[in-house]
Amino acid sequence: SQTIHQWPATLVQPVGSPLSLECTVEGTSNPNLYWYRQAAGRGLQLLFYSVGIGQISSEVPQNLSASRPQDRQFILSSKKLLLSDSGFYLCAWKRRGRNEQYFGPGTRLTVT
Amino acid sequence: GNSVTQMEGPVTLSEEAFLTINCTYTATGYPSLFWYVQYPGEGLQLLLKATKADDKGSNKGFEATYRKETTSFHLEKGSVQVSDSAVYFCALNPDTGRRALTFGSGTRLQVQP
Repeated sequence: SQTIHQWPATLVQPVGSPLSLECTVEGTSNPNLYWYRQAAGRGLQLLFYSVGIGQISSEVPQNLSASRPQDRQFILSSKKLLLSDSGFYLCAWKRRGRNEQYFGPGTRLTVT
Repeated sequence: GNSVTQMEGPVTLSEEAFLTINCTYTATGYPSLFWYVQYPGEGLQLLLKATKADDKGSNKGFEATYRKETTSFHLEKGSVQVSDSAVYFCALNPDTGRRALTFGSGTRLQVQP
């Protein structure tokens, strides 16, 4: 069966500090991968998606970036965090040719 | 473009009450439709799905029918439990390609004993 991991689970960072969130998927190969952000009390906003190693598409211009160094690894980064970057970050994967996505447990980021 | 509209919450019910959470969508073609559930502090779990008109998705006592004529995918459950308290998201995907899901804003359900 497939599983998706995210870490860290929670993170508190000061404004201006860097960020690195990691997502890995097990039990499948060549998945589509996604990063979403969920602000408090709101819906999900797609940030990035990837259809393969090194292939990243950005949906929302901002101070975040994403990378996919390995087939089942997806990393969300920032060089300098803003207060507005606080939120719940969710990674998701999708099998090629299917519509449904499966989500990880999320990382709660608080920027102070 | 694609969009999903859900009824605003919170929806507060007593245990064993009937649940309906409304969801309507706007999309071109024939999208697939989904309901996801998010328990406090957790990620989203796929609850059920439907891929074509008149399909009924069902899981854990929840049901939703893909109504193309009314562009709706309302979530129903005959008898809710306290453990069903969560946020429910309706979502669509227009095709099997790379594009991500379009989500509604979520509806919080609170079930009281």
